[in-house]
Amino acid sequence: AQKITQTQPGMFVQEKEAVTLDCTYDTSDPSYGLFWYKQPSSGEMIFLIYQGSYDQQNATEGRYSLNFQKARKSANLVISASQLGDSAMYFCAMREGRSARQLTFGSGTQLTVLP
Amino acid sequence: EPEVTQTPSHQVTQMGQEVILRCVPISNHLYFYWYRQILGQKVEFLVSFYNNEISEKSEIFDDQFSVERPDGSNFTLKIRSTKLEDSAMYFCASSRDSGMGEQYFGPGTRLTVT
Repeated sequence: AQKITQTQPGMFVQEKEAVTLDCTYDTSDPSYGLFWYKQPSSGEMIFLIYQGSYDQQNATEGRYSLNFQKARKSANLVISASQLGDSAMYFCAMREGRSARQLTFGSGTQLTVLP
Repeated sequence: EPEVTQTPSHQVTQMGQEVILRCVPISNHLYFYWYRQILGQKVEFLVSFYNNEISEKSEIFDDQFSVERPDGSNFTLKIRSTKLEDSAMYFCASSRDSGMGEQYFGPGTRLTVT
């Protein structure tokens, strides 16, 4: 079974609108962390936001927020007020366990912001 | 703002040759990682390193791979005898003292094996 599933290979959004990128995860470990990274066409990986499994509140970082639904094992990224510069590949990733630090990545969602 | 740096940005090598990819992690970080991304595919974990030793490694990280922190700033990935399938983008990353939070990635080294 896939540890991280991103079911949207591509998404389009109009500039200034909000968009939600889906991510579901699979783990039996009660301690884990969830991450979102942005990869523009230039190739670098940019950290966006982090949610720990024990965090009571949804993480927010500027225009990014993480809609964490633990019972449904989902960690969707919400980008508000989309900008043209948000066009990129977005990866969801998970770290499992108290001692493990390796990240397992999903297959990514290509977001295109339309003017 | 401090960042992870990697050199070279692009390396072309012939099959069977040894390559060394270099990284300078963020200076106050203690955990270091290598990941790779084959073109068009997801990012895959290779190895993590802490306190001068490997703490985790994946099945990909076989005897052909090694890592080293030769001094206080550099972190290297060596591939002893490159294969065509080693062609990928290699990312170095680092994280702070607990290693449990966000990992900051470098810009990557694109390795092309011919």
